[in-house]
Amino acid sequence: GENVEQHPSTLSVQEGDSAVIKCTYSDSASNYFPWYKQELGKGPQLIIDIRSNVGEKKDQRIAVTLNKTAKHFSLHITETQPEDSAVYFCAPKNTGRRALTFGSGTRLQVQP
Amino acid sequence: GAVVSQHPSWVICKSGTSVKIECRSLDFQATTMFWYRQFPKQSLMLMATSNEGSKATYEQGVEKDKFLINHASLTLSTLTVTSAHPEDSSFYICSAHVGATYEQYFGPGTRLTVT
Repeated sequence: GENVEQHPSTLSVQEGDSAVIKCTYSDSASNYFPWYKQELGKGPQLIIDIRSNVGEKKDQRIAVTLNKTAKHFSLHITETQPEDSAVYFCAPKNTGRRALTFGSGTRLQVQP
Repeated sequence: GAVVSQHPSWVICKSGTSVKIECRSLDFQATTMFWYRQFPKQSLMLMATSNEGSKATYEQGVEKDKFLINHASLTLSTLTVTSAHPEDSSFYICSAHVGATYEQYFGPGTRLTVT
């Protein structure tokens, strides 16, 4: 099965700074790489995803980069705001499995 | 984006009773839905994959007779926790797979407390 590691487990940044979260996976057949944001007491929300044929994708302040050779992908948040404070999960997937495999999560705290 | 709802959002029940949680896809048809469980400060753990019109596929270690899943239509899946015990207290979250795409969208979750 897929082994997923996420680092760091907690991250505290000042408002306006950038934050980077890294996800390492084991299954070389993984071809879909989403990031989810979960606020307290709520379900996860898909914030950005990337397919294996693309190296980088950006959506305003959020970007995801993929290194398939090294089997890791990263979430980049620029100009962080207090409302970015949440737990972020990576959840790589391959076509042979319909379900996502979640990383352990990263608690991001943006200090105003 | 696709919207998934869950009902109830929270429920408290006595030990030994059963609780049903509903998961609905509001603006799309979901041939596959997933049920996850999340304990405090932990990640989401897949419990089962629910397919419309067929039996659910349970993950290793999940008791299928305790966690009954029914996916009777393309927009509704239900999870029934039977003979609930305090250790079943958790945050239960469903998600739905959107057609042939890769994306999965999650419901808001149901917090179950068993006293």
